[in-house]
Amino acid sequence: DADVTQTPRNRITKTGKRIMLECSQTKGHDRMYWYRQDPGLGLRLIYYSFDVKDINKGEISDGYSVSRQAQAKFSLSLESAIPNQTALYFCATSDFGLAGGWNEQFFGPGTRLTVL
Amino acid sequence: AQSVSQHNHHVILSEAASLELGCNYSYGGTVNLFWYVQYPGQHLQLLLKYFSGDPLVKGIKGFEAEFIKSKFSFNLRKPSVQWSDTAEYFCAVSYNFNKFYFGSGTKLNVKP
Repeated sequence: DADVTQTPRNRITKTGKRIMLECSQTKGHDRMYWYRQDPGLGLRLIYYSFDVKDINKGEISDGYSVSRQAQAKFSLSLESAIPNQTALYFCATSDFGLAGGWNEQFFGPGTRLTVL
Repeated sequence: AQSVSQHNHHVILSEAASLELGCNYSYGGTVNLFWYVQYPGQHLQLLLKYFSGDPLVKGIKGFEAEFIKSKFSFNLRKPSVQWSDTAEYFCAVSYNFNKFYFGSGTKLNVKP
């Protein structure tokens, strides 16, 4: 079984709709992340959570919100989807890095979201 | 602003050629450095990482990278590429333990 799972894997929606992307992990990691990938821009960090009570904005958080329901679950919401949020979304997890630093991240398979 | 630059957006090589992909980061204090690979249709996976110690880091599948602090660089190398190395490669940097950025990626196409 995959260590990091994402649902749905593909989603087509319309402008203005509310969308939730879900991520679950069985690695036992405290830290979870949401990224979006756009061609030519690499991955950009949307939100990250270092534990259940800790949520932090990343590089591009506007238009997104997150919820850390449990150590193993981290969901990303688009309250009112717009076409420029069409992208590939990845969830990732990691354990506690050396001296508090960022450690290797383990990625889920991605969710391809299209907003029409 | 802190950032990560990968200047080669698309590289085409023949099998057995040597590879070097550039990664430069902006000054920002303590850095941890990573290279990830994304094979077609797959998610990202770690190739190698540098936290401290020997600046020449060896990773999986014959890849290595050298941290040159004076040049703010962490270039990825492989002496002889294979067709199976066709993928997109991402450099990533964490700054002072609280900021993290990926580069824009380099697509490598290895011709058989």
